[in-house]
Amino acid sequence: QVQLVQSGTEVKKPGASVKVSCKASGYIFSDYYMNWVRQAPGQGLEWMGRINPNSGDTHYAQKFQGRVTMTRDTSINTGYMDLSRLTSDDTGVYYCARSRLATPPDYYFYMDVWGKGTTVTVSS
Amino acid sequence: QSALTQPASVSGSPGQSITISCTGTSSDVGTYNLVSWYQQHPGKAPKLMIYDGSKRPSGVSNRFSGSKSDNTASLTISGLQAEDEADYYCCSYVGSFSFLYVFGTGTKVTVL
Repeated sequence: QVQLVQSGTEVKKPGASVKVSCKASGYIFSDYYMNWVRQAPGQGLEWMGRINPNSGDTHYAQKFQGRVTMTRDTSINTGYMDLSRLTSDDTGVYYCARSRLATPPDYYFYMDVWGKGTTVTVSS
Repeated sequence: QSALTQPASVSGSPGQSITISCTGTSSDVGTYNLVSWYQQHPGKAPKLMIYDGSKRPSGVSNRFSGSKSDNTASLTISGLQAEDEADYYCCSYVGSFSFLYVFGTGTKVTVL
């Protein structure tokens, strides 16, 4: 079945970096963008950016520009999200979610499958 | 880019219908009929309930429906059931250089 399996809980100190992985299975990896969405404790959802698995092209939300790097390894159908210079405000759950690449004239603007989330805690 | 505005909470009795609003601007909800809705139970990942404003993915109950008027999208849950108690988030495609998607502030649905 279609699923996204994320890496485990992370605890980091302020100023450090964290790298979260998301392994896709059950579908053609290259047919879908991988998006990253985070949720601070008790807060709403926030879109961070996405990567095109074919080209490696990325589009980051301006808020995270310069701190986030999204990559992928097509040989193992896995995407990665690397966030640097962590502060306590980065504490939360990080989700990967897929959205389909456009196949003109069809375009897709929604995230239909989500990983279960990776908890990242930033604390000294 | 500010988050889309949703009511913090909405409640209803079993069997009733409720509607959750999602207010944006002419730069997001108003321009594109590309609003999606997600259901999130505590400690769980979001689940897609509605896309492209009013379309339901396979497997989602037809008790869930979406609509849009001007800068406001809405999600209606009819025949409310205990399992519908969850948080709901709207999301609009924005398509700007700095932001592709913006989420709503979220609504807690309580089944009385």
